[in-house]
Amino acid sequence: KAGVTQTPRYLIKTRGQQVTLSCSPISGHRSVSWYQQTPGQGLQFLFEYFSETQRNKGNFPGRFSGRQFSNSRSEMNVSTLELGDSALYLCASRPGTQETQYFGPGTRLLVL
Amino acid sequence: QKEVEQDPGPLSVPEGAIVSLNCTYSNSAFQYFMWYRQYSRKGPELLMYTYSSGNKEDGRFTAQVDKSSKYISLFIRDSQPSDSATYLCAMRPVNTGFQKLVFGTGTRLLVSP
Repeated sequence: KAGVTQTPRYLIKTRGQQVTLSCSPISGHRSVSWYQQTPGQGLQFLFEYFSETQRNKGNFPGRFSGRQFSNSRSEMNVSTLELGDSALYLCASRPGTQETQYFGPGTRLLVL
Repeated sequence: QKEVEQDPGPLSVPEGAIVSLNCTYSNSAFQYFMWYRQYSRKGPELLMYTYSSGNKEDGRFTAQVDKSSKYISLFIRDSQPSDSATYLCAMRPVNTGFQKLVFGTGTRLLVSP
């Protein structure tokens, strides 16, 4: 089976712009979660989607949003980018009933 | 203070050494404990998963949880250069969804041949 894929892998944006990141989960996985990883804060949970519904949300401002499509693919959007949004954004998928989640390689976002 | 503390390293050891990686935490409600390995330019992969206290062994890896001290460890026996990576601990209480894990910032391990 193909693993979790994320596009694009690298992105450079300027402050004030918005960005959309994409995640394709492993085939058959219905749960997709997003994380932000920075050297200072580590991995922080953004939100989780299951069958197109947001089930959990972390402590991030409303500028961070996401959605999931009927084929389980997910997108996350960050509006009005700030310098502090520079990070590695990781997507993880899992089957509906198992604890193990599988991470993608991430999208590295640099905000200038 | 962060809920989960982890020494960032780097931790440098020779091949064949026993490696000890550790995390401390402050939330006594944490019940599920995990260790992830993250290679450069890759996403984390789950290595070990334990519930509550005790030890769990899987090949060269042993995970240990001491809830009384709020301290978890990952031991790697006979370390190999291929073990060079960043190791992340993660944990959550029993009453939250799996995805709402709290991660440590990771310890970078370097195993030299």
